[in-house]
Amino acid sequence: AQSVTQPDIHITVSEGASLELRCNYSYGATPYLFWYVQSPGQGLQLLLKYFSGDTLVQGIKGFEAEFKRSQSSFNLRKPSVHWSDAAEYFCAVVTNAGGTSYGKLTFGQGTILTVHP
Amino acid sequence: EPEVTQTPSHQVTQMGQEVILRCVPISNHLYFYWYRQILGQKVEFLVSFYNNEISEKSEIFDDQFSVERPDGSNFTLKIRSTKLEDSAMYFCASSEALAGWTGSSTDTQYFGPGTRLTVL
Repeated sequence: AQSVTQPDIHITVSEGASLELRCNYSYGATPYLFWYVQSPGQGLQLLLKYFSGDTLVQGIKGFEAEFKRSQSSFNLRKPSVHWSDAAEYFCAVVTNAGGTSYGKLTFGQGTILTVHP
Repeated sequence: EPEVTQTPSHQVTQMGQEVILRCVPISNHLYFYWYRQILGQKVEFLVSFYNNEISEKSEIFDDQFSVERPDGSNFTLKIRSTKLEDSAMYFCASSEALAGWTGSSTDTQYFGPGTRLTVL
C-alpha cells in the first residue's frame, strides 16, 4: 500500500529565510503527488500538484516542489518565507491508472511551520 | 472561484446520537469524497462516491456510516450512532474525474473547510 512520510513534524524559520519541507512516498507505480496547506481553523487548500512532465512544479503563494523519482521525494520549497505562511502542510499521493485504489488520497502526517518575525 | 462548502462548521452531539454532515461540491464535479482528521493525526480517507454509488471505502467506514447525494447539489455523510472516537474534523472533497484515473488536472480534489464534530 502506498504511504507518505513527512519526517519533520515541526519546523521553525525566520521571516525571509528559505524553506524546504520534506516528503517521501512509498509507491510502486507512477505517483501523483500533491501539497496542501491548512491554516488554523481552515480547510485544506491545494498548493501544487505533480502528475507528469516537468519535475519542478510551481504552485500558488510562491511555492514550488520537485519530484525526484530516484529519491522517492517531493519536497516543497519557498525561497523567502512570509509570516502568513505559518500553517500546517500536508503532502499527499494518489494511485494512478492500473492501481487498485482510485480516488483515495493518502496523506502524510503533516509539518507545522512556525515563522518568527 | 468555485468552492466546496460544508455545513455546519461545528457540530456538538451526545454519544449515540445520529448526525448528518452536509457538503455542497463544486457544481460540475462528479466524484465526491469524505475524509476525516482526528486531532493531532493524519487526514484519513473515508469514502469515495460516484454515480450514486460508493466507489471505495476505508476500514473506518463501517455500517455506522453512510453517504448520500439526496439531490443535485448536496452530498451528505451520516453517522448513525456516534461514538466518542468519531470526534474529528470531517472534510468533504470533490473532483471532476476520479483522482488518479486520467493523470490530469481534472483529477484534483478540492476540499471544503471542514465540519468539526465533537461527541460528548
